[in-house]
Amino acid sequence: DVKVTQSSRYLVKRTGEKVFLECVQDMDHENMFWYRQDPGLGLRLIYFSYDVKMKEKGDIPEGYSVSREKKERFSLILESASTNQTSMYLCASRRQGTHYEQYFGPGTRLTVT
Amino acid sequence: AQSVTQPDIHITVSEGASLELRCNYSYGATPYLFWYVQSPGQGLQLLLKYFSGDTLVQGIKGFEAEFKRSQSSFNLRKPSVHWSDAAEYFCAVAYSSASKIIFGSGTRLSIRP
Repeated sequence: DVKVTQSSRYLVKRTGEKVFLECVQDMDHENMFWYRQDPGLGLRLIYFSYDVKMKEKGDIPEGYSVSREKKERFSLILESASTNQTSMYLCASRRQGTHYEQYFGPGTRLTVT
Repeated sequence: AQSVTQPDIHITVSEGASLELRCNYSYGATPYLFWYVQSPGQGLQLLLKYFSGDTLVQGIKGFEAEFKRSQSSFNLRKPSVHWSDAAEYFCAVAYSSASKIIFGSGTRLSIRP
């Protein structure tokens, strides 16, 4: 079974802190994604990565950056956390190819105070 | 722009009743269609997917969905819901011309005892 793990289920940070959210997948998938999920807004794509060291902006990249140094790991970075970044963050991975589904991690609920 | 619409934000059905969740996608190249379920506090799990062939697809947990190209729809159905089906359901579409999966805003399903 594909497994996507996220470093924390719950995280509380202060405004202005630098925050790292880590995601690891164990199925050698080329594509990895970061979403945030807010009530009534569904899943919004922040960044995605086609392969190692490759990244592309999604729909809401402002205030975020990403890093993919190894194929299995995709990190989301909040350079200076703000209260409007309080949200559920979901990581997903997928084998390259349109007809493959995404596999999701359990999510990280981030609260910025 | 390519999009997915789930017109129902919240649906309540009685346990044992039938269920249909609606999903419409914007016209595009050959669509690849997915339904995901998210239980409270969890990541998303794939229920079923459609790529080609028989337009009625069976998924896990007794769910099925029917692809209707003429209506640009991919509605999810279940003949008899169980209390454990209470969750949020997301429809998603991918096109051969793109690598991203586009998600609808979700439908929250509540079950009345």
